[in-house]
Amino acid sequence: DGGITQSPKYLFRKEGQNVTLSCEQNLNHDAMYWYRQDPGQGLRLIYYSQIVNDFQKGDIAEGYSVSREKKESFPLTVTSAQKNPTAFYLCASSIIRGDEQFFGPGTRLTVL
Amino acid sequence: KQEVTQIPAALSVPEGENLVLNCSFTDSAIYNLQWFRQDPGKGLTSLLLIQSSQREQTSGRLNASLDKSSGRSTLYIAASQPGDSATYLCAAQGRYKTGANSKLTFGKGITLSVRP
Repeated sequence: DGGITQSPKYLFRKEGQNVTLSCEQNLNHDAMYWYRQDPGQGLRLIYYSQIVNDFQKGDIAEGYSVSREKKESFPLTVTSAQKNPTAFYLCASSIIRGDEQFFGPGTRLTVL
Repeated sequence: KQEVTQIPAALSVPEGENLVLNCSFTDSAIYNLQWFRQDPGKGLTSLLLIQSSQREQTSGRLNASLDKSSGRSTLYIAASQPGDSATYLCAAQGRYKTGANSKLTFGKGITLSVRP
């Protein structure tokens, strides 16, 4: 059963902590993406990766970091430098960049 | 810089009505346009994708059209049902490999409520 999984579904972070959000896909897609969604706003691109060991900043990369060591995995770390991290985070993938994107179920991050 | 607009932000219709959701974009240099559905607290589900060379795509009760020259796309939902209640987002994929118009730009979505 192919798809994209994200974990955890809910995540709580204390101020000053780094947290890592997991994203895994078994669709054999080369491209993967991280978006942030805030109430009343469209999705905003944080980082994307076109192939393994390569990734590029999106529109709002400050305070975030990623890695792409395996084709199936694209974890996102929200660092303490991110001033307003409370949001809904969505991971997506596509066969190649620019092709149809498929999304995971999301992780809701709340800063306490 | 591409901008995608969806108006109105919310729509309420009685069950059975045929309806049209509008999406406009400012830069016609797009590679494709994608429509998504999002249920509360969930991820996005891809509904239809229209390539820049196509005029429309159909899936069941859904039909999406694309007019690049006017910068518009519409999602037509036939015989709406309460189960169609959700937020519908459109997104334009930039044609270029790099730069401001190389990504998927989303509208803010239209929240649809279908009343029984």
